[in-house]
Amino acid sequence: DIQMTQSPSSLSASVGDRVTITCRASQDISNHLAWYQQKPGKVPERLIYGTSTLQSGVPSRFSGSGSGTEFTLIISSLQPEDVATYYCQKYNSVPLTFGGGTRVEVK
Amino acid sequence: EVQLAESGGGLVQPGGSLRLSCAGSGFILSSHAMSWVRQAPGKGLEWVSGISHKGDSTYYADSVKGRFTISRDNSKNTLYLQLNTLRADDTAVYYCARDCWSCGFDYWGQGTLVTVSS
Repeated sequence: DIQMTQSPSSLSASVGDRVTITCRASQDISNHLAWYQQKPGKVPERLIYGTSTLQSGVPSRFSGSGSGTEFTLIISSLQPEDVATYYCQKYNSVPLTFGGGTRVEVK
Repeated sequence: EVQLAESGGGLVQPGGSLRLSCAGSGFILSSHAMSWVRQAPGKGLEWVSGISHKGDSTYYADSVKGRFTISRDNSKNTLYLQLNTLRADDTAVYYCARDCWSCGFDYWGQGTLVTVSS
């Protein structure tokens, strides 16, 4: 099975900072990658699919890129409401594995 | 408005069984593959099981294979997960999620808590 590895597992940044989260697949998954945001105590919500397509309503400060085995989620200017755990997920084939998550905090 | 509502969670002893349900509304369940995802307390998301839109193909994580069974009743717009031989490490919030045809999970339910403890 393909493993999904996220880094870092947690980070703390200031409001306005650029934040980068990386997700690596153990095998080529083309662009079949989604990102989810889970705010504390809430249900996960899809942010991005197809590696870079933003879910409707998601602020443009979020962006995704990559292909094959390495993917990136960028928050261009961190806001207080972005405090959450972010997960990547592959969906090219089962199992539909999630990464371990990246917890983002604001300093 | 698309909505998913899970039910059936609760406290069960090790070795016991539970049946979770996920009622869909605002869309035609039979048009979508569906999955169950769980989250143990303080832990990350784990995909558990998936089923094709017609129900003729089912898939499981290794951690639950042989113990859990996914099914669906499209006439009732409802998804199910039968949990058997439950263990303490099955304790988690179980979410149902709609597969948007090769674009991840576009809708999630609120989750139902399963606690396995004696």
